[in-house]
Amino acid sequence: EPEVTQTPSHQVTQMGQEVILRCVPISNHLYFYWYRQILGQKVEFLVSFYNNEISEKSEIFDDQFSVERPDGSNFTLKIRSTKLEDSAMYFCASSEGFGNQPQHFGDGTRLSIL
Amino acid sequence: DAKTTQPNSMESNEEEPVHLPCNHSTISGTDYIHWYRQLPSQGPEYVIHGLTSNVNNRMASLAIAEDRKSSTLILHRATLRDAAVYYCILRDPTQGGSEKLVFGKGTKLTVNP
Repeated sequence: EPEVTQTPSHQVTQMGQEVILRCVPISNHLYFYWYRQILGQKVEFLVSFYNNEISEKSEIFDDQFSVERPDGSNFTLKIRSTKLEDSAMYFCASSEGFGNQPQHFGDGTRLSIL
Repeated sequence: DAKTTQPNSMESNEEEPVHLPCNHSTISGTDYIHWYRQLPSQGPEYVIHGLTSNVNNRMASLAIAEDRKSSTLILHRATLRDAAVYYCILRDPTQGGSEKLVFGKGTKLTVNP
């Protein structure tokens, strides 16, 4: 069964550094998402991406965050200047379409900011 | 975002049925009821969704109350692999509805051998 893959599984970065988290969505999917989960807390929506542009974003997704689909397969989340509070599990998801189409999640990248 | 209420935790024995309840008294006419689960150290996983009628798939069944103010996810024979946090989420698929999934705290299901 096709799956969403995320790399790396664990990223350790110094505060203030830039970090890029990478995702390969399922190949025929058109909608892409990033969520995060701070340890012990709820899964939170960050951003959705369709047709090469952001379609929705949350208040968490401020100017420090950006997303890109640099080629036909990868979907990336960049954090420009990381803060301690960015430490979390980051999940990428993709879906075939909008509405009731299920979102398929990767197993996440654990981001640790020192 | 429409709100759902679930018990914090439930416990079951292996090979027994499990009924996971969800209350959504403020559900709107266009909201679908979705269930996801999150196994330990994994991303969320879609389980099932429905609007009014009961739904079945290979993973589970979804029973929806006639007034749609509550629903129940049914695992017919729990296995150890079903131990996870189960989330009940409302989604509006119509134009103008949000694409995001809004996760609550969910129900942590423990399955005893």
